[in-house]
Amino acid sequence: AQKVTQAQTEISVVEKEDVTLDCVYETRDTTYYLFWYKQPPSGELVFLIRRNSFDEQNEISGRYSWNFQKSTSSFNFTITASQVVDSAVYFCALSGGDSNYQLIWGAGTKLIIKP
Amino acid sequence: DSGVTQTPKHLITATGQRVTLRCSPRSGDLSVYWYQQSLDQGLQFLIQYYNGEERAKGNILERFSAQQFPDLHSELNLSSLELGDSALYFCASSVEPLQGTMNTEAFFGQGTRLTVV
Repeated sequence: AQKVTQAQTEISVVEKEDVTLDCVYETRDTTYYLFWYKQPPSGELVFLIRRNSFDEQNEISGRYSWNFQKSTSSFNFTITASQVVDSAVYFCALSGGDSNYQLIWGAGTKLIIKP
Repeated sequence: DSGVTQTPKHLITATGQRVTLRCSPRSGDLSVYWYQQSLDQGLQFLIQYYNGEERAKGNILERFSAQQFPDLHSELNLSSLELGDSALYFCASSVEPLQGTMNTEAFFGQGTRLTVV
């Protein structure tokens, strides 16, 4: 069975602090895909990143960075120098080789950035 | 803007009624997905269509049905509505994924918030 765990239900930090959102996944597949999505207060789901299981290189996009570690089954997301506009719910999702086209979602982490 | 359009944005209806949610995918995307987001269940996959044909089913109730039309827009029909069906319903689209897996990013619409009273 596939599962995604986002243990942090809510995180609150002051603007300009760095913050890391944790994502731990379970799958028996050797080929799988991991995703992060952002859901701002307006409600839409915004795609952030996709990573396949064969690519363990860390990714950086501006203030966002992702750390994929197969050894610990984790795909963590760090926001550097957080801004109020980063306030949102962030979801980690997984799709395995036998997922039947569906994404398996974590419960989400609500990130609050205080000015 | 993801390029995926969902209508209506909000819908309030009574128990026992039937509603239709509409989705227009991104230009060029043949795959359409429907997801339900509720407070108690989180995000749940309902169903996927590819170029007009149903390809995968998830946790979709028998009271719910969907279809994808030749112009690639999709509709999700919810009937005999219950209070528990109140949720945010998302449509997403993508390029064709690999067989059996979701190896490509899906782009989501803004959702339809359904309230059953």
